[in-house]
Order: sequence, then structure tokens, then C-alpha cells
Amino acid sequence: NAGVMQNPRHLVRRRGQEARLRCSPMKGHSHVYWYRQLPEEGLKFMVYLQKENIIDESGMPKERFSAEFPKEGPSILRIQQVVRGDSAAYFCASSPSGQGTIGYTFGSGTRLTVV
Amino acid sequence: AQTVTQSQPEMSVQEAETVTLSCTYDTSESDYYLFWYKQPPSRQMILVIRQEAYKQQNATENRFSVNFQKAAKSFSLKISDSQLGDAAMYFCAYRREYGNKLVFGAGTILRVKS
Repeated sequence: NAGVMQNPRHLVRRRGQEARLRCSPMKGHSHVYWYRQLPEEGLKFMVYLQKENIIDESGMPKERFSAEFPKEGPSILRIQQVVRGDSAAYFCASSPSGQGTIGYTFGSGTRLTVV
Repeated sequence: AQTVTQSQPEMSVQEAETVTLSCTYDTSESDYYLFWYKQPPSRQMILVIRQEAYKQQNATENRFSVNFQKAAKSFSLKISDSQLGDAAMYFCAYRREYGNKLVFGAGTILRVKS
């Protein structure tokens, strides 16, 4: 029973390139959450998605960042025209249901380095 | 907006001893959940323990227990009989009862000395 799978584990991008981070939720989980962890900081919520719907994107930067969770396939966090300040660890979590659910399961994160 | 504060950037404990990590939070809600997560160097976020605000009894999971003081908005984690494998970053987190996102503190690095 695989947990939340994130890939790649490490990603290096030059300034101006695009970064695509993937998250496959646990089997049976239809709710996905993305968090960002800047160096020396705690995780900060970015976006909450259900299949084909963005439910809460209050933590997403207004420009360059987007997320999707299609009917088939993993959830994707996309960062266009990356800048050095985007360097961080990006975590995905999943749950079987949304509001009211207690349990999240986190993936191991993708560390993005922008050079 | 809810905030979570961990005032100890770093703590050390001798193996087999007990250590307490502090966490305070600010909220106007009456029902919510509190969590402690462990993040070892592997970066995996591991749930250590959780507490429902409506429960007066402090949660316990083996060597891990919490001291939940609702009126003081305090939620400390006690680790008994510390082991080398406990060395990690520990995060305190808050979630509204019907919310969908966690609010994390900045974390406390725990070092365990042999």
C-alpha cells in the first residue's frame, strides 16, 4: 500500500525555466494539498484540490504558480519562470475526504533548487 | 488568522532523558485540532500525536505525550526516554475543526546526545 508519492525528489532549474512537480495520492484518496517549506521555516499551505477542482488556493502566489488534479493521473504543481526565491521543499499530502477529516498523509517532498 | 509559535529554535536532550517542546497558538475558534509532526533528515513528515480541542484528556502515544492547556492556548510535547532516533525537526500545527489546511509553527530542532 504505497503512500503519497512525489517526484522528482530533487529538481534543479535555471532561472526562467519551468518546474513541474508531481504528486500521486494514496490509493483511495481524492483530496490533495500542496505545502511549501522555505529554508529554516515551517510548511506553508498553498492549495487544496479535489479531482478536477481547485477548492482553496488562498496560499498560492498570484503569478507563475498553478496546480491541477486531473481526473486521471497525478496532481501537478507548476511554477513558470522560476526565480531563486522559489527554491524550497514542496510537499504534497492527501486525504480520503475533505473538510472535517483528521488525517493527512504527507509525501517526502520535492526539493527545488533554482540556480 | 490563526498563528502557531514555537519559541525554541533548538533543544538538546541526553539519551534516555525527558524533553519538553513548547508550542503556543492563537485562535478565536473553540473547536480545532492540534498536531505534532516529526521531520527527520529524510524530510518525510511523520505525525507524532494529535489532540482534539474538545477533549480534556491529554493525548498519549507510547513515549510521546502532550500537555494541552486550552485556556492558555498552549500545546507542549513531552518525549520520555529519548532515543537517538528521536533526533529531528518537530513542528506543531493547528487546524480548524472543519478546515482543510494546517498552520505550522517554525519548528524546533531536537538533538539527542548519546
